[in-house]
Amino acid sequence: SQTIHQWPATLVQPVGSPLSLECTVEGTSNPNLYWYRQAAGRGLQLLFYSVGIGQISSEVPQNLSASRPQDRQFILSSKKLLLSDSGFYLCAWSATGQGFPYGYTFGSGTRLTVV
Amino acid sequence: KNQVEQSPQSLIILEGKNCTLQCNYTVSPFSNLRWYKQDTGRGPVSLTIMTFSENTKSNGRYTATLDADTKQSSLHITASQLSDSASYICVVSVSHAGNNRKLIWGLGTSLAVNP
Repeated sequence: SQTIHQWPATLVQPVGSPLSLECTVEGTSNPNLYWYRQAAGRGLQLLFYSVGIGQISSEVPQNLSASRPQDRQFILSSKKLLLSDSGFYLCAWSATGQGFPYGYTFGSGTRLTVV
Repeated sequence: KNQVEQSPQSLIILEGKNCTLQCNYTVSPFSNLRWYKQDTGRGPVSLTIMTFSENTKSNGRYTATLDADTKQSSLHITASQLSDSASYICVVSVSHAGNNRKLIWGLGTSLAVNP
């Protein structure tokens, strides 16, 4: 069966520090991968998605970047965190070629607080 | 503008009671509608996925309805349990060629089930 792992679960970082969140998927090949952010009182916002190694699409301009160095690994990064980067970050995957209504499973999330 | 609106924003019910959550959307072209349950500090978990032609779909004590003409959906929870306390999020998918990445997220209804 497929599983998605996301870590760390919580993170407190000072303003201006770098960030690296990692997400890995097991039990499938060539998944579509996504990074979402959920700010307090707001809905989920898609940040990045990837359909393959090295292929990253950004949905909104921001202080963050994403990379996919391996087929089942998706990394969210920042060189210098801002206070506004605080939020709940979720990684998700869906099966390639399976459109609606399949797939789209979320990881357990990372609570990032920038202080 | 593609939007998903949920009501009520929050709800408190007694254990064993039923409740209904509402979702209205203005999304075009519509592909499917999903209800997710999100426990505090966790990633969302899919409850139901409904396509345009489906009116009702059940998942245990959860029953979702969809009226594509009025662009409304509801999630009915029967015989509520303490474990039903969570945020329930309505998500509408915009028909998009490729990898089903365009999801419009509601802000969710926060449900508290009290003993």
